[in-house]
Amino acid sequence: DAGVIQSPRHEVTEMGQEVTLRCKPISGHNSLFWYRQTMMRGLELLIYFNNNVPIDDSGMPEDRFSAKMPNASFSTLKIQPSEPRDSAVYFCASSGWEGNTEAFFGQGTRLTVV
Amino acid sequence: AQSVTQPDIHITVSEGASLELRCNYSYGATPYLFWYVQSPGQGLQLLLKYFSGDTLVQGIKGFEAEFKRSQSSFNLRKPSVHWSDAAEYFCAVGADTGFQKLVFGTGTRLLVSP
Repeated sequence: DAGVIQSPRHEVTEMGQEVTLRCKPISGHNSLFWYRQTMMRGLELLIYFNNNVPIDDSGMPEDRFSAKMPNASFSTLKIQPSEPRDSAVYFCASSGWEGNTEAFFGQGTRLTVV
Repeated sequence: AQSVTQPDIHITVSEGASLELRCNYSYGATPYLFWYVQSPGQGLQLLLKYFSGDTLVQGIKGFEAEFKRSQSSFNLRKPSVHWSDAAEYFCAVGADTGFQKLVFGTGTRLLVSP
């Protein structure tokens, strides 16, 4: 398996533009997580899905952020409109259903909003 | 709610010396505990995990960690550090909900001196 695949690896956009980050989880995993990593706040869980259903989005910072999982093999995290303070590395991770399985992380998308 | 404290922001160790990275967690029930490593520009890689059973857990790359319930600790150790171990290390705690919602510590950056 290729692991969790995120695209793009790097994104530079202007303030006010819409940004869409993409994630393909490991095949067979049914939990998917979006994390954000910044120097100030470390790794924060934004939202997670189980069987394509959002379970907890309490970490989503504002209404400008939205996430979808239309099927078991694809998820998006959208920021509209983007702001400079959204600049961070965004990680997607997936895991199996059972409680004793670990989360596997993608390599992240480094977002820079100028 | 669970939380994780990694009291050391930076640690410098000489190559060949032993290493211990500290991690304290807060969680009311039986925790699932993890150590991840992040190399620059990379995603997070799982080093080891504890779910139950033997409190001394062996991981990849020669790392081990010991779960001490009485101290709410899960310290990471390695008997002899290699230059390639220089990276950032994250301790995480997961709830036993089956969803692997992880809460991460702020990380410890390991520097290895020659």
